[in-house]
Amino acid sequence: GESVGLHLPTLSVQEGDNSIINCAYSNSASDYFIWYKQESGKGPQFIIDIRSNMDKRQGQRVTVLLNKTVKHLSLQIAATQPGDSAVYFCAESTGANSKLTFGKGITLSVRP
Amino acid sequence: SQTIHQWPATLVQPVGSPLSLECTVEGTSNPNLYWYRQAAGRGLQLLFYSVGIGQISSEVPQNLSASRPQDRQFILSSKKLLLSDSGFYLCAWSVLSNTGELFFGEGSRLTVL
Repeated sequence: GESVGLHLPTLSVQEGDNSIINCAYSNSASDYFIWYKQESGKGPQFIIDIRSNMDKRQGQRVTVLLNKTVKHLSLQIAATQPGDSAVYFCAESTGANSKLTFGKGITLSVRP
Repeated sequence: SQTIHQWPATLVQPVGSPLSLECTVEGTSNPNLYWYRQAAGRGLQLLFYSVGIGQISSEVPQNLSASRPQDRQFILSSKKLLLSDSGFYLCAWSVLSNTGELFFGEGSRLTVL
């Protein structure tokens, strides 16, 4: 995914609502996907990952969905909290020893 | 456990001055190492990656260079900074034979005036 040259889109949600952050990828050979969360002034932190042999994986308050048919990845955050406000990046790789390719990133803003 | 440190955390430099950002990884051997740049409000741009000592691959032509003098040390340098070099620089590492998951440092914010 292209990750430079464009300002990041913003998703604004009400505190307590569920958030859905979407990501499209283009490489049909990608078989590993990961979501990162980046708080202001900090490095990205791992949230959750999924391999291509799965279509859904759940963590604590987060769920990642993978639709390989349309090359679409989404991150669902349940009961969004102010601490969830951050930039979220999806990334993909084609497996062992390959570099991650990052998506554009989306800013999640949580309204109190 | 593995840790990654990069410094300095914040740097303000005049145009034309040199740059040296350092990154070290502890608790792992022979990691892949990466330098990313993030301009304000923008995504992550891969600048350099290294699979071993002295092995550097550059992703984009630029005013910067990278070196890996030791297995767990990665340095980002410039001889003469440009205004456009301002940004948030992130060092990261990954384990060979893994899926490529990256572990990021806390970043170094560079402002060129």
